[in-house]
Amino acid sequence: DAGVIQSPRHEVTEMGQEVTLRCKPISGHNSLFWYRQTMMRGLELLIYFNNNVPIDDSGMPEDRFSAKMPNASFSTLKIQPSEPRDSAVYFCASSLGSLAGFNIQYFGAGTRLSVL
Amino acid sequence: SQKIEQNSEALNIQEGKTATLTCNYTNYSPAYLQWYRQDPGRGPVFLLLIRENEKEKRKERLKVTFDTTLKQSLFHITASQPADSATYLCALTNAGKSTFGDGTTLTVKP
Repeated sequence: DAGVIQSPRHEVTEMGQEVTLRCKPISGHNSLFWYRQTMMRGLELLIYFNNNVPIDDSGMPEDRFSAKMPNASFSTLKIQPSEPRDSAVYFCASSLGSLAGFNIQYFGAGTRLSVL
Repeated sequence: SQKIEQNSEALNIQEGKTATLTCNYTNYSPAYLQWYRQDPGRGPVFLLLIRENEKEKRKERLKVTFDTTLKQSLFHITASQPADSATYLCALTNAGKSTFGDGTTLTVKP
């Protein structure tokens, strides 16, 4: 398996523009997680899905952020409009597990977002 | 509020020595705890998992302990090598959701 695939690897955009990050989880995994990593705040969970259904989006910073998982093999994280403080590395991770069980997470390589 | 603290931002040791990393937490009742390794420019990679009812877990040169009374986990790397240099993250998990510590950057000098 190719692992979790994220695109793009790098994104540079201007403030106010819409940004869409994409993730393809490992085939057969039923949970998908979006994280944001910065030096100041570390690795923060934004939202996670189980069987394509959003379970917890309490980490989504504000309404400018939205995430979708239309099917088991694809998810997007959208920021509209983007702001300089959104600059960070965004990771997608997937796992095979239940909500009650353990979840060993497999991370993608991340998308480094720079908002100018 | 939940809080996870990992010992000192950076840990420098000599090759061959044992590295010990600490993960302390408060206001949390994790079902299990995980340790991940992160190299620069890459995503975290899973290393070990230990359940709340387990005291110790080993894998090759790695050992993890978990004390739910002290609310602490220790992560040991024995016979450390320069290739072990990386940032190590602990993650506490409950109900499918994981909260990560800020990580400890380990540098093993030859």
